[in-house]
Amino acid sequence: AQKITQTQPGMFVQEKEAVTLDCTYDTSDPSYGLFWYKQPSSGEMIFLIYQGSYDQQNATEGRYSLNFQKARKSANLVISASQLGDSAMYFCAMSPNRDDKIIFGKGTRLHILP
Amino acid sequence: GAVVSQHPSRVICKSGTSVKIECRSLDFQATTMFWYRQFPKQSLMLMATSNEGSKATYEQGVEKDKFLINHASLTLSTLTVTSAHPEDSSFYICSARDWTGRFGPDTQYFGPGTRLTVL
Repeated sequence: AQKITQTQPGMFVQEKEAVTLDCTYDTSDPSYGLFWYKQPSSGEMIFLIYQGSYDQQNATEGRYSLNFQKARKSANLVISASQLGDSAMYFCAMSPNRDDKIIFGKGTRLHILP
Repeated sequence: GAVVSQHPSRVICKSGTSVKIECRSLDFQATTMFWYRQFPKQSLMLMATSNEGSKATYEQGVEKDKFLINHASLTLSTLTVTSAHPEDSSFYICSARDWTGRFGPDTQYFGPGTRLTVL
């Protein structure tokens, strides 16, 4: 079964510290995409980072990096030097077989403390 | 790039009325758009996939006659909630795929969402 698991419902982190949000996935498709989205209290879903299953290197976008461990089916998001504005809900997602649909995890609510 | 707009951002209506929500890709063409529903403190639930020039594909359990989807052009999809009732109150959010984007053809970009309240 295709599934995304985020085991941390909530996290509290001190400002300027690095944050790792966990995500594991399950799929039997050899080709898939992995995503992270940020949803602040305003509700919009902001695309953060993408990792293709055949990409050799971990994706990096500014302060965001995706720690892709294919054998462990893990796609953790790392936010370096956290800021107050990083407080939001974060969703890990997958497109199995590069198909139309994206499957979302249940999300992790991140709180950055001043 | 890859900006998706959604209108209106908030709507309050009486029970029994119909509400139309528009989703537009502003700087790219989107042959495929998606409509999601999100309940408070929950993840997104895919309602349907909207394909330009053809009928939408609905997820299991989503009423086609209740949630009418039209994808008339490469930049516009609309969701009409017909005869809305209080249980239809929710946050509705659309997305579109940018096939030409650098983040892979399966990356979806989301609109800002529409909060529907049915009285």
